[in-house]
Amino acid sequence: AQTVTQSQPEMSVQEAETVTLSCTYDTSENNYYLFWYKQPPSRQMILVIRQEAYKQQNATENRFSVNFQKAAKSFSLKISDSQLGDTAMYFCAFMNLTSGTYKYIFGTGTRLKVLA
Amino acid sequence: NAGVTQTPKFRVLKTGQSMTLLCAQDMNHEYMYWYRQDPGMGLRLIHYSVGEGTTAKGEVPDGYNVSRLKKQNFLLGLESAAPSQTSVYFCASTSRLAGEKETQYFGPGTRLLVL
Repeated sequence: AQTVTQSQPEMSVQEAETVTLSCTYDTSENNYYLFWYKQPPSRQMILVIRQEAYKQQNATENRFSVNFQKAAKSFSLKISDSQLGDTAMYFCAFMNLTSGTYKYIFGTGTRLKVLA
Repeated sequence: NAGVTQTPKFRVLKTGQSMTLLCAQDMNHEYMYWYRQDPGMGLRLIHYSVGEGTTAKGEVPDGYNVSRLKKQNFLLGLESAAPSQTSVYFCASTSRLAGEKETQYFGPGTRLLVL
């Protein structure tokens, strides 16, 4: 069974600084997606970034980038130039493409606080 | 487009009462999912549907039932609510069409308190 582990329950960062959130996963599959979702105090889940496992190049979306290490089964999120609006819970998620069900498995989340 | 909507936004139940949570999406998505979110647990899949008329169990299905009679709606039922079902419930949907980037679209959540 696949698992997703986020070992940092809480983190804080100064505004304009860079922070990295960690995520590791366990799977025997080779064809999958990985995601980072943001959940601000409004509770709305917002996709931050996705990574296809077959792509070696790390995904980037503006100030957000990932470090995808497939062999190590690691998928960290880097937030550059942190802004107050980045304060949120961040969830790492895994989806196995070969199962045909497209179910997501979520980590337990990291609560990020950006300090002014 | 409204995207994914959930009704109600908040509800208080007494132990043993029943209720139905409604999820609706206007994106013509085939796949729909119900999750529950509890502190320190992340989101856990309750039930899901891969198309109209189909449902399947997720990670934590006990105490819940679902129905997908129409493609755009996915209903989550609690027949006899228990305090352990106090949680925030999220619905999500995805299209899985070739050429589209994989994304689950989430509703705003329903907060349920069972006394």
